[in-house]
Formats: sequence, structure tokens, C-alpha cells
Amino acid sequence: DTGVSQDPRHKITKRGQNVTFRCDPISEHNRLYWYRQTLGQGPEFLTYFQNEAQLEKSRLLSDRFSAERPKGSFSTLEIQRTEQGDSAMYLCASSQSGTDGYTFGSGTRLTVV
Amino acid sequence: DQQVKQNSPSLSVQEGRISILNCDYTNSMFDYFLWYKKYPAEGPTFLISISSIKDKNEDGRFTVFLNKSAKHLSLHIVPSQPGDSAVYFCAASVRGNTPLVFGKGTRLSVIA
Repeated sequence: DTGVSQDPRHKITKRGQNVTFRCDPISEHNRLYWYRQTLGQGPEFLTYFQNEAQLEKSRLLSDRFSAERPKGSFSTLEIQRTEQGDSAMYLCASSQSGTDGYTFGSGTRLTVV
Repeated sequence: DQQVKQNSPSLSVQEGRISILNCDYTNSMFDYFLWYKKYPAEGPTFLISISSIKDKNEDGRFTVFLNKSAKHLSLHIVPSQPGDSAVYFCAASVRGNTPLVFGKGTRLSVIA
């Protein structure tokens, strides 16, 4: 297992475009988390899944943000009508319920121009 | 409302000396605390954790101390090495129930 994989590593998009990021967790982990990190800040929780169920989504930043994990394996995070303020590092992490350590991916850096 | 606070944005320490990174929290429901280390262009990696039933946990050069009454924890690195230079994040949760809440991080520079 190569750990948590995120794709793409970098994304540059024009304001108003939609973007989608993918996360492949560690295969035996049933929980998957999305965080956002901006410069000088710590990771900020967005949403998480246990298997295919989205357990918390109230922290998604606006209704332009949505996430799915259709078969309980990989997940996607979509941002519609991107704004410059969406520019950040988007981090995915996974864990096994009943344990507390998260394994993070290397993140997707989004730049909105 | 910042529930986990790391008030020192940066810290410089000489190689071989002790590094002490501090973290405060406001939510008294938190019962599990972790430290993560982050290098540029990489995701955070888990370093060490402590449950609220303990006041100290040690792993090699890394020791975490928890003072529940003060809602304060600290990470000690002894001896500090240049490879320890990174951003360190403190995180907390209500164990098994809530996602991790992170502080803003402290950038540690270990000078040879």
C-alpha cells in the first residue's frame, strides 16, 4: 500500500470554473476526511465519510463545495464556480474507525486566477 | 472560535538542545491530543499522541506532556536535529467522535 494518494498535485484554474479533486485512501481504512489549509493556518476540517456515508458536511465552506465517496473507496471533492479565495491546499486523510491517527496525502494545491 | 491554539508561529533552536513547542486548547471535551509534523509540499505526518488519562507520553526523542487543568500540552524534542526542522501542528479531538481540530502550527528551525 502506497498510503493516501491525491490527484492532481497541482491545479491552476480560472475564476468561475469547476474543479474536482480525487483522493484514494489506504485500502483498509473506512474513514476519509477532507481538510483545507491556507497559508499560515492549520488544516481546517471540511467533511468526512465512514464508508460511503457522509457523516459531517456542515463545515463545507459553501454550497459550491461538495464531496462524494460513492463506493466507500475513493472520494472526490468538487468546487463549483471557483473564486480566488478558494486558492489553498486541499488535504485528504484516512483512518480506521476505532483508531485515532490519520494518514494524510500530499495534498492538491489549487490556484484560482 | 479557535479551539486549539499555538501562539508561537516560529521557534529557532540550536542542534543538540531541547525544542519545546506549546499548545493550548479551549474545549474541555477534548480527550485525545496529537502532534503532526509537516515538511513543505507534503501532507502532515503523525508524530506522537496522548490520551487525557495520561499526563506524559514518550517516544524516543519526542515527549508530549499534558496539563488538563491548564488545558495545555507541550512537545519536547531532545536532542533537536536539523532534520526536525518543519512545521509542527497540535491537534485535538473527542476520541472516536469528532474529526481532528488543528492549531495554526509552529515552524521549528534547528540550526546546526
